[in-house]
Amino acid sequence: GENVEQHPSTLSVQEGDSAVIKCTYSDSASNYFPWYKQELGKRPQLIIDIRSNVGEKKDQRIAVTLNKTAKHFSLHITETQPEDSAVYFCAASNEIKAAGNKLTFGGGTRVLVKP
Amino acid sequence: EAGVTQFPSHSVIEKGQTVTLRCDPISGHDNLYWYRRVMGKEIKFLLHFVKESKQDESGMPNNRFLAERTGGTYSTLKVQPAELEDSGVYFCASSQVSGAGELFFGEGSRLTVL
Repeated sequence: GENVEQHPSTLSVQEGDSAVIKCTYSDSASNYFPWYKQELGKRPQLIIDIRSNVGEKKDQRIAVTLNKTAKHFSLHITETQPEDSAVYFCAASNEIKAAGNKLTFGGGTRVLVKP
Repeated sequence: EAGVTQFPSHSVIEKGQTVTLRCDPISGHDNLYWYRRVMGKEIKFLLHFVKESKQDESGMPNNRFLAERTGGTYSTLKVQPAELEDSGVYFCASSQVSGAGELFFGEGSRLTVL
């Protein structure tokens, strides 16, 4: 089955700096890679996703890159703000194979943005 | 529109007792998923319903766990008897589209087994 590794487990950055979280996956058949953000005490929420037919996707201050050959994908947050402090989860799935969206998650990265 | 709701938010039980967690998906979402996060590790898939049918229950750890979704609306996840290693946060998620698209998560039910 799929295995997703996520690094680092914790990340502390100064407000205004950039944050990068990296994930690797094992199943070359995976084709959908979402990122979820979970603020303290709240539900995980999708912030951005990418499919294997593109290499990069950007939405305001967040961007995701995908390298299918190396089987890794990354989340980039620029100009970090205190409200970016949260736990971020990467995930992978095979949208074609699965009858549903069975996601395999990484272990999460706790991001702390210091004012 | 109401999001995915889960109850209880936190349950503390003793080893050997029974606990039932409930999930109400977003109205109209046929797909319902249960996930679990244990000891700050990754969020792991437990099972997937399409309406009232179990589509995939490959992640269920053992037969102490029983999930139901009678009538294809809300779902329950029963743990009987609970063991210490069952402690964690149980997330429910729903989606409208099979095989693709965003999963909408609930806030989770934290289970503590003493």
